[in-house]
Order: sequence, then C-alpha cells, then structure tokens
Amino acid sequence: AQKITQTQPGMFVQEKEAVTLDCTYDTSDPSYGLFWYKQPSSGEMIFLIYQGSYDQQNATEGRYSLNFQKARKSANLVISASQLGDSAMYFCAMRDIRRDDKIIFGKGTRLHILP
Amino acid sequence: NAGVTQTPKFRVLKTGQSMTLLCAQDMNHEYMYWYRQDPGMGLRLIHYSVGEGTTAKGEVPDGYNVSRLKKQNFLLGLESAAPSQTSVYFCASRHLHNEQFFGPGTRLTVL
Repeated sequence: AQKITQTQPGMFVQEKEAVTLDCTYDTSDPSYGLFWYKQPSSGEMIFLIYQGSYDQQNATEGRYSLNFQKARKSANLVISASQLGDSAMYFCAMRDIRRDDKIIFGKGTRLHILP
Repeated sequence: NAGVTQTPKFRVLKTGQSMTLLCAQDMNHEYMYWYRQDPGMGLRLIHYSVGEGTTAKGEVPDGYNVSRLKKQNFLLGLESAAPSQTSVYFCASRHLHNEQFFGPGTRLTVL
C-alpha cells in the first residue's frame, strides 16, 4: 500500500539559511509522482513542486528544489535562502498513477523561520 | 475563473444530523478529491473521482458518501454526523498530468 512519511513535525531555521524537509514514500509501483505543497497560517494550499518517478533530473522551481533519491525512496524538499514568509506547514504527497491517480499526503512539517 | 469553490465555509451540526458539502470547479478538470485535515494528521483522502459519474474510496471513507453527477461538481455527504467528523474539509481538482488545485476549505464542527 502507498505510504508517505514526514518525520519532522517541526523545524526552526534561521532566516537566509537553506532548509531541507524530509519525505520518504513507499509504493510497489514503478510509475508515480511526488508533490510538495505549502500551507501558510491562512489555510490555503499552495503547490510548490512536482517530480515524476521517471524524470531524469531533480525538479527545481525558483528557490525550491526536490532532492529525489529513487533507490532510497526519498523526495526531500530543499528551500534555499529561507525567508520569513516561508514559515508555514509543508506537505509531501504521492500520486499513484496505476491506481486511478489516488493522491495521498504525509502528516506535514511545520517550518518556523527565525529573524 | 473562480477556480475551486466550497460551500459552505463554516457549519455547526448536532450529532445525527446530515449535510452535504459542495465543491465546484470551473477549470474542466477530470479529477476531483475530498480530504479532511485534522491536527497532527495531515490531509487524509476521503473519496475521489476520476471523471463524471465515477467515485472511488480513499483512506478514510467510512461515514461519508460522494456523488459526481456533473463534471464540475463533487458532493460530499454526511448521513449521520458524529463528533469524530469535526474537521476542516478540503476539496481539490486537477487535470490529467498536473498538480491539484485546492478550495479554501470548510470548517465543520459536530456537537
């Protein structure tokens, strides 16, 4: 069965430092996709980045990059040069392409950026 | 474009009452999803739909029913509400290869 694990319930990071948020997943299917979303205190869900299981290169979007290690089944989110506005809840999610595109989420990591 | 909208935004129910949450999207997306968000639990998938007239169970489907009679709408029903169903409910939709777009959420309290 699919499973997404985020082991860091909370993190405190100094402003301007780089941040790595951990995500490991479990699936027996070779075809899947991985997402990261941000949820600020206002509650909306904001899409950050996507990685397909067959993508040859790690995904990048501005200050966000995804450190995809397929053999280890990990898809860590890296935020470079953190900003105060990065303080939020971050969720990792997995799309199961062979099971009708079911998408499940991890429990999230709450990131606090310190001035 | 309104994107994904959810009705209502807030609701308080008594145990045993029924209600329907409406999700509407104007992006012609095939896929639609209902999640619930509880503290420390992340988002848990309740039901989802891969197209008009289809529905499938997610991780926590018990106590909920859904219908997708029109492509743009996905309804979530609670037949007999229980306090354990107090939560924030999010609807999402997506096109085939793209990310999910989320609604603003519905905060439901069951007394």
